[in-house]
Amino acid sequence: AQRVTQPEKLLSVFKGAPVELKCNYSYSGSPELFWYVQYSRQRLQLLLRHISRESIKGFTADLNKGETSFHLKKPFAQEEDSAMYYCALSYGGSQGNLIFGKGTKLSVKP
Amino acid sequence: DAGVTQSPTHLIKTRGQHVTLRCSPISGHKSVSWYQQVLGQGPQFIFQYYEKEERGRGNFPDRFSARQFPNYSSELNVNALLLGDSALYLCASSLVWGMSYEQYFGPGTRLTVT
Repeated sequence: AQRVTQPEKLLSVFKGAPVELKCNYSYSGSPELFWYVQYSRQRLQLLLRHISRESIKGFTADLNKGETSFHLKKPFAQEEDSAMYYCALSYGGSQGNLIFGKGTKLSVKP
Repeated sequence: DAGVTQSPTHLIKTRGQHVTLRCSPISGHKSVSWYQQVLGQGPQFIFQYYEKEERGRGNFPDRFSARQFPNYSSELNVNALLLGDSALYLCASSLVWGMSYEQYFGPGTRLTVT
């Protein structure tokens, strides 16, 4: 079955430190991978998707099909990056509906 | 545009009761999906509707049902509520359905079953 795994429930870093939020998925075909973010008291919103290969708010993520990973990275964390981050997968059979991981809470300390 | 709106914001129900949750998509969006988010978990897909037809269903019991109206708004109904149905229910809309279309989420309805 298709699954998304985010091994860390909580990740705490200091401002200016690099950040890597891990995401692994299980799907044998060609999925579409996303990172969603939820800031405090705000709704869930799309941060980036692998297909666009963009850098959003300094974050990047590369799809590694060999390792079935889609880790989210930022070289220098900012306090405003503190939020809940969800990795999600969509595939042909899901018709666009998303399979989410359990999420990682990122805390950036001053 | 206020984005996706959901009502009510919170509600408390008793076991065995039923509940109706409502969602209005972004203007122009024709697809609505529902997700359940239990505390400490990521959202889990329940239903997707497009052009008033069910296009996808997650692994939820028949107590869960939904529909979409001609104006593309949607209702999620849950019958015979169980304690385990306590969760945040999220609605998401997209222009059409399919992998390439971004889903925009509403703020959610917090359901507590006592």
